[in-house]
Amino acid sequence: KQEVTQIPAALSVPEGENLVLNCSFTDSAIYNLQWFRQDPGKGLTSLLLIQSSQREQTSGRLNASLDKSSGRSTLYIAASQPGDSATYLCAGTNAGGTSYGKLTFGQGTILTVHP
Amino acid sequence: ETGVTQTPRHLVMGMTNKKSLKCEQHLGHNAMYWYKQSAKKPLELMFVYSLEERVENNSVPSRFSPECPNSSHLFLHLHTLQPEDSALYLCASSHLPRDDGTGGALNRAFFGQGTRLTVV
Repeated sequence: KQEVTQIPAALSVPEGENLVLNCSFTDSAIYNLQWFRQDPGKGLTSLLLIQSSQREQTSGRLNASLDKSSGRSTLYIAASQPGDSATYLCAGTNAGGTSYGKLTFGQGTILTVHP
Repeated sequence: ETGVTQTPRHLVMGMTNKKSLKCEQHLGHNAMYWYKQSAKKPLELMFVYSLEERVENNSVPSRFSPECPNSSHLFLHLHTLQPEDSALYLCASSHLPRDDGTGGALNRAFFGQGTRLTVV
């Protein structure tokens, strides 16, 4: 059974800092790893998806990496801004037709970027 | 706007009421999901529909009853709920993973804005 853990649970940084959010998973038979952003009381916004055959993906100031052998993914945010304040969630989908694309989520990292 | 729309956004219901949550996607996806997000707990999968057929019921109590009449619509029928069922209910859709392990990018999940449910 896939288990996903995110560290730290909360992070507070000053504006402009580069930061790293960590995600670990127990089952290396992963189909893809997705990072999401959630604003308070809202749904999830997809940020990045890394396929099992890839090692990283980039979108603007965001870069996500995937290391299947160690069961780890990181989300790097460059030059953080107050608008980046949100909860960041990572989720894995296992390989195999019977997974049906089910996502197993971590508990999330609550990020606060203060001016 | 993610392409997945949920209604209502907020719902307050008594324990004897019957209500329904609605989800709609026009992304051409062939899988739809219901997730539950409770305070201080990770998002939990409730149901999966693959090609309009329910393929997973993650030990959800029968007071939650899903329905998928076509590939674009998903409902969650609620009856005789308990206060502990108060949560944010999220709908998502995606393409199904391929059996050969390729096409992982197609499996990107898109979520609705959720329904904040309060049971009184």
